[in-house]
Amino acid sequence: GAVVSQHPSWVICKSGTSVKIECRSLDFQATTMFWYRQFPKQSLMLMATSNEGSKATYEQGVEKDKFLINHASLTLSTLTVTSAHPEDSSFYICSAQDKVHSYEQYFGPGTRLTVT
Amino acid sequence: EDKVVQSPLSLVVHEGDTVTLNCSYEVTNFRSLLWYKQEKKAPTFLFMLTSSGIEKKSGRLSSILDKKELFSILNITATQTGDSAIYLCAVHNNDMRFGAGTRLTVKP
Repeated sequence: GAVVSQHPSWVICKSGTSVKIECRSLDFQATTMFWYRQFPKQSLMLMATSNEGSKATYEQGVEKDKFLINHASLTLSTLTVTSAHPEDSSFYICSAQDKVHSYEQYFGPGTRLTVT
Repeated sequence: EDKVVQSPLSLVVHEGDTVTLNCSYEVTNFRSLLWYKQEKKAPTFLFMLTSSGIEKKSGRLSSILDKKELFSILNITATQTGDSAIYLCAVHNNDMRFGAGTRLTVKP
């Protein structure tokens, strides 16, 4: 099946620094990628929808200047958490939508971010 | 406002029991409904449903969609401890909207 990778799988950073998380579709083209955040024992929360070559669409309550999303190619989207704070510590998951089979969505393994 | 509601939120059963998980939705521009199983990390895909009344099966799991009444169910028969997980329902319209999930615990 289709594979989506995320890098890094876990990262620890200090408050005030920025962290970039990559999401790649390895064997298919993804016109749309989604970024989710998951808090402990909670469901996934959609943060933004990223379309290749255009600006991301952010969900209400998500700060677009804090969570920068770039979808520069059909196989790569990045999420940059700027000026990280401890409350940004979370599990971030991306998913990629297959361009050919547009209903199918494949999840990355997630990135665990800890801000100290 | 788009809404996806799952019930129950948590469920504890014993091995061998059959469980039914519910997902109701209110969304615009419905495209499909998806079920995922989430254990420790990212969710894994179970089923995608686009048409009413057509049951999808995979081993002991099955699911069906009712687009008139706007709900789907996920059935698991002869449950095993390995079925313990959070089961997520998501509706694909212009985005993906997830329900809160059902936490299933299967006791030996």
